[in-house]
Amino acid sequence: DGGITQSPKYLFRKEGQNVTLSCEQNLNHDAMYWYRQDPGQGLRLIYYSQIVNDFQKGDIAEGYSVSREKKESFPLTVTSAQKNPTAFYLCASSIRTGSTEAFFGQGTRLTVV
Amino acid sequence: AQSVAQPEDQVNVAEGNPLTVKCTYSVSGNPYLFWYVQYPNRGLQFLLKYITGDNLVKGSYGFEAEFNKSQTSFHLKKPSALVSDSALYFCAVRATNTDKLIFGTGTRLQVFP
Repeated sequence: DGGITQSPKYLFRKEGQNVTLSCEQNLNHDAMYWYRQDPGQGLRLIYYSQIVNDFQKGDIAEGYSVSREKKESFPLTVTSAQKNPTAFYLCASSIRTGSTEAFFGQGTRLTVV
Repeated sequence: AQSVAQPEDQVNVAEGNPLTVKCTYSVSGNPYLFWYVQYPNRGLQFLLKYITGDNLVKGSYGFEAEFNKSQTSFHLKKPSALVSDSALYFCAVRATNTDKLIFGTGTRLQVFP
């Protein structure tokens, strides 16, 4: 099956800990995105990448880090510097930027305990 | 800077009636516009997009959207609503001269039997 896989579906983190969310796609897409979803705020862009070994900050990058070592993978690390990390995180990919639509994974719900 | 506005947090409509979910955008340059739907605790599913050409675009599940350049709007419409259309709907924009895909805050559509 082709698609985008996010893991885990649910994640619990203690305050002060870093945690990494996985995003893998087998669609051969060049562009990948990470969004954060909070009630009433829609989707806010954290980071995006157009190509391997390159990525750009989105609108709310502080407290997050990413890597793009492989075309298929775009992991997101939520660091202890992120003051309010509890949210629903969505990963997406597209063939290329511009007019093509993005395809989304099923999301990871992160809760700080 | 790019932005998307969805002015209604919730839209209520009776089954069988037409529905409209509003979206306005702001970009420098020409826009690519998208509509997505989200069901609870799931990722986003692509519905339709506007790239160029005909201002009325048709998409999945009987949805359509009308692009209006002078009003910078891209409203989602359906002639006859179904209870199963009840979900969270997101409008998104990507300017032709950038790679960022920006989403609105979402509109919850509630279709009553």
